[in-house]
Amino acid sequence: QAVVTQEPSLTVSPGGTVTLTCDSSTGAVTSGHHPYWFQQKPGQAPRTLIYATSKKHSWTPARFSGSLFGGKAALTLSGAQPEDEAEYHCLLSYSGAWVFGGGTKLTVL
Amino acid sequence: DVYVVQSGGGLVQPGGSLRLSCAASGFPFSHYWMNWVRQVPGKGLEWVASISHDGSEKYFVDSVKGRFTISRDNTKDSGYLQMNSLRAEDTAVYYCVRLDWTDVAYWGQGSPVTVSS
Repeated sequence: QAVVTQEPSLTVSPGGTVTLTCDSSTGAVTSGHHPYWFQQKPGQAPRTLIYATSKKHSWTPARFSGSLFGGKAALTLSGAQPEDEAEYHCLLSYSGAWVFGGGTKLTVL
Repeated sequence: DVYVVQSGGGLVQPGGSLRLSCAASGFPFSHYWMNWVRQVPGKGLEWVASISHDGSEKYFVDSVKGRFTISRDNTKDSGYLQMNSLRAEDTAVYYCVRLDWTDVAYWGQGSPVTVSS
C-alpha cells in the first residue's frame, strides 16, 4: 500500500505565506490521484478545503489554493489568519482505495 | 444543503460486533460513492472502506479485510459499516464520508467506537 507523506508541523506568521505538500511513495502525484485537502480543528470533523487538486468549495477562503508542484500535491495559504491554525490532511486516490497523509499541524504565530 | 448524519457507535468488548449507520440528504445519494474513515484521537485519519454508488464495488484497507463489511440502501439514502471481530486497535472515531474523486467531500459528525473489556 502506498504511503503518503506530509510535513508533521509548520509555522507561519500572521499575514504570511506557507505551502504544505503531499508526497506519494509510488511516484509523482498527478491529477489522477484526485488530491483532496481537508482542514480539521480540535473536536471537529474535517471539512473539505480543496478537491480535484485545485477546486474550491464555496466555504473555502480565497487565501487557500491547491496545485501540483515538484511531483507533489500542494496547499498554499497566502495571508495566514489566526483562524487558519489547524490540522491539514491530504488524501490521494489509488485505484479504488484512498490513502491519507499523516497530517500537518499548522501554527499561526 | 448536504447532510451526513451518523448513528451507532459505543463501547464493545474485544471480539464483539458493532454496526454504524449514516443517513444522507441534500444530494442524489445513489449517484455517489460512500466511504468510512476513522481517526484515533490525537492521530491522523485512516481511510477504512468505500462502496460504489450501486454497491457493486467495495474496497477495504488491509487491516479490516475479512472483519468489516460495507453496504448501502439507496432506497433509504443510507450507508452502513458492519464491524465484526473488533480489536482494541479498532478504537477510533469513525466518519461516514461522501467521497467521489471529483466533487466536494462531505463528512458526518463522527461516531466514537471503543473496543475494551
